[in-house]
Amino acid sequence: KQEVTQIPAALSVPEGENLVLNCSFTDSAIYNLQWFRQDPGKGLTSLLLIQSSQREQTSGRLNASLDKSSGRSTLYIAASQPGDSATYLCAVTHFGNEKLTFGTGTRLTIIP
Amino acid sequence: ETGVTQSPTHLIKTRGQQVTLRCSSQSGHNTVSWYQQALGQGPQFIFQYYREEENGRGNFPPRFSGLQFPNYSSELNVNALELDDSALYLCASSFGDPDHEQFFGPGTRLTVL
Repeated sequence: KQEVTQIPAALSVPEGENLVLNCSFTDSAIYNLQWFRQDPGKGLTSLLLIQSSQREQTSGRLNASLDKSSGRSTLYIAASQPGDSATYLCAVTHFGNEKLTFGTGTRLTIIP
Repeated sequence: ETGVTQSPTHLIKTRGQQVTLRCSSQSGHNTVSWYQQALGQGPQFIFQYYREEENGRGNFPPRFSGLQFPNYSSELNVNALELDDSALYLCASSFGDPDHEQFFGPGTRLTVL
């Protein structure tokens, strides 16, 4: 059974700093990994999708990396802004199954 | 391009009642998945519909059921509501191909009293 872990559960960082969020998964036979952002009480916004054959994806100030063999992914946020404050969730899928298995998320607070 | 929409936004029910939640998928998407997110937790997979057929189910009892319509919109029905069913219910749509991203709606907040 796939288990996805995100540590830490919460993180506070001064504005302007670069930061890294971590995601680990127990079953490395994933098809892809997706990072989401969730504002309080709201739905999920897809940030980046990494296929299992890829090592990283970039979008603006965000860069996600994937090391499938070690069961890890990181989300790097450059030059953080107060608007980046949200909960960040990672989720994986397996071949032939679009079900997303989620971590419990990291709640990020950017301090102005 | 219209995104994923869900209705209602909020709902309050009492134990034992039944509820129906609705989801309109993003234009062109043929797959809808439903997730339950309890407070402080990650979303949990309930089930998925692909071209009107159930295509996978998570660890939820049979009182959670669903439908997908020819226009690919979907309903989630929950019978005999329990207090623990209080959660944010999220719908996601996609092209039915694991290569593609899943796009989520804003969710329905269900409170069971």
